[in-house]
Amino acid sequence: GQNIDQPTEMTATEGAIVQINCTYQTSGFNGLFWYQQHAGEAPTFLSYNVLDGLEEKGRFSSFLSRSKGYSYLLLKELQMKDSASYLCAAMDSNYQLIWGAGTKLIIKP
Amino acid sequence: GAVVSQHPSWVICKSGTSVKIECRSLDFQATTMFWYRQFPKQSLMLMATSNEGSKATYEQGVEKDKFLINHASLTLSTLTVTSAHPEDSSFYICSARGSLTFMPTQETQYFGPGTRLLVL
Repeated sequence: GQNIDQPTEMTATEGAIVQINCTYQTSGFNGLFWYQQHAGEAPTFLSYNVLDGLEEKGRFSSFLSRSKGYSYLLLKELQMKDSASYLCAAMDSNYQLIWGAGTKLIIKP
Repeated sequence: GAVVSQHPSWVICKSGTSVKIECRSLDFQATTMFWYRQFPKQSLMLMATSNEGSKATYEQGVEKDKFLINHASLTLSTLTVTSAHPEDSSFYICSARGSLTFMPTQETQYFGPGTRLLVL
C-alpha cells in the first residue's frame, strides 16, 4: 500500500534549526512536496523535490533520497511565525498526492 | 504566483439546506481540481478529484449524491453540499493543479483559502 510517515509533533526554540523527517512508500514516484499549514488556514506550497539532493530556498531547505524513500524539511533561524503544521506529500505514478498526517511544529521563545 | 480563490470563506446554515462552494484558479488553467475536507486537528482528507468536463472521481466513503461536484471550466469547480447536516460541519478546501510552466512542476497543487461550514 501507499504510506507517508512523519512525526506527529515537534518542539524547537526560536532562532534554532529543526529538521522534519518524512518517509514514503508509493506506487511509482513523481516527486515529494512539502506544504505549510497554519491553524485554521489552508496549506501553502513550500517545496518540491524530484531529484536526489538538497534544495535550498531561504530559511527553508528540502532534501530527498529516492533510494531510501526519505525526505526532510530543514527550517533555520526559526521564528515564532513558523509555528504550524508541515505536511509531507508524495506524488505517485498517477500524479496523485499521497498525504502524510502532518507534523505540528511548536516554537518556544 | 499561482492563486486559487474560494468563496464563500464562511457559511452558517440550517440543517437540511444546500450549500455551494466555488473554487477558482485565478491565473492559470486548472486541468484537475481536488476537494478536501479537514476536521479540527486532523489531516486533510481527499473527497474527490475532478477533471474539467468529466465526472468527478469520489474517494471511498464519500457520497457522490450528497457532495455534488461540477468542474465546468478550466478555472472553476463547485462543490455543493446537499441537505447539509451538523456532521457535515468542517473545513472544505479545494486545490487546483495546472499545466503552466511557471509552476515549480506542472503537477504542483495550489490550495484555496478554504471554506468553513457550520451546520446548525
